[in-house]
Amino acid sequence: SAVISQKPSRDICQRGTSLTIQCQVDSQVTMMFWYRQQPGQSLTLIATANQGSEATYESGFVIDKFPISRPNLTFSTLTVSNMSPEDSSIYLCSVRTLGPFLYEQYFGPGTRLTVT
Amino acid sequence: GEDVEQSLFLSVREGDSSVINCTYTDSSSTYLYWYKQEPGAGLQLLTYIFSNMDMKQDQRLTVLLNKKDKHLSLRIADTQTGDSAIYFCAETPNSGGYQKVTFGIGTKLQVIP
Repeated sequence: SAVISQKPSRDICQRGTSLTIQCQVDSQVTMMFWYRQQPGQSLTLIATANQGSEATYESGFVIDKFPISRPNLTFSTLTVSNMSPEDSSIYLCSVRTLGPFLYEQYFGPGTRLTVT
Repeated sequence: GEDVEQSLFLSVREGDSSVINCTYTDSSSTYLYWYKQEPGAGLQLLTYIFSNMDMKQDQRLTVLLNKKDKHLSLRIADTQTGDSAIYFCAETPNSGGYQKVTFGIGTKLQVIP
C-alpha cells in the first residue's frame, strides 16, 4: 500500500490567483496522477505526472492552466492557475503501486478548493 | 468511450444488508474495483475482482460480477453506521502501465441507526 499526504487540505482563493497543491508519498512509486472531483460528479483524470519530464494531460486539460511538477519518485505538485469559480473542486493525488495480484491505485485525502 | 454508471443514493437500516450496483460499458474491462470515500477523506480501495471471476468475498463484503450483462455489485452484510460513505465503482482494461481507470459517479450510502 501507499500513504499519501496532500497540502493544503483546503483553501479559499480569489479568482485570478494561483494555488499550488503538494503531494507526498511514503514510498517510491512509478505512477502518480492528479484527479479532480467536482460536486456530484465522477472523478476526472487531469494528468499523469511523469518524473523528470512534462506531464501527460487528458483531453480538456492543458499545461498552462494546470502545470505539474514531479522532481522525484515520491513528490509532485499541481498548480491551478488563473483560477475562476469553475475551478472550485476537490483535487486528488493518486498513485499506482504493484500489489500481490495487480496494480493497486491509492488516493490522497484531497485538497478542497473554493474560488470566490 | 468507457462509461460506468451507478445509482446516486441508497438508504438502509443498521444491521441490514446493503447492495450497491454498477454497470459498465467497456467489454474489455478486466479489473473492476470498489472504493469507499468517507466525508472529507480520499478514496480507500475496498476490494477488486478480475473479469474471469463471478464472485469474491472478503469478510462482510461480497462482490458479484455478471460479465454478460456488464453488471457489478457490492454487498455489505450487517451494515453499520461506519459504513456510511460514498462508494465508487471503477474499471480498467489492464491494471498495468498507465492504463486509465474509469470511475462511476459514486453511490452515497446512508445507514439509519
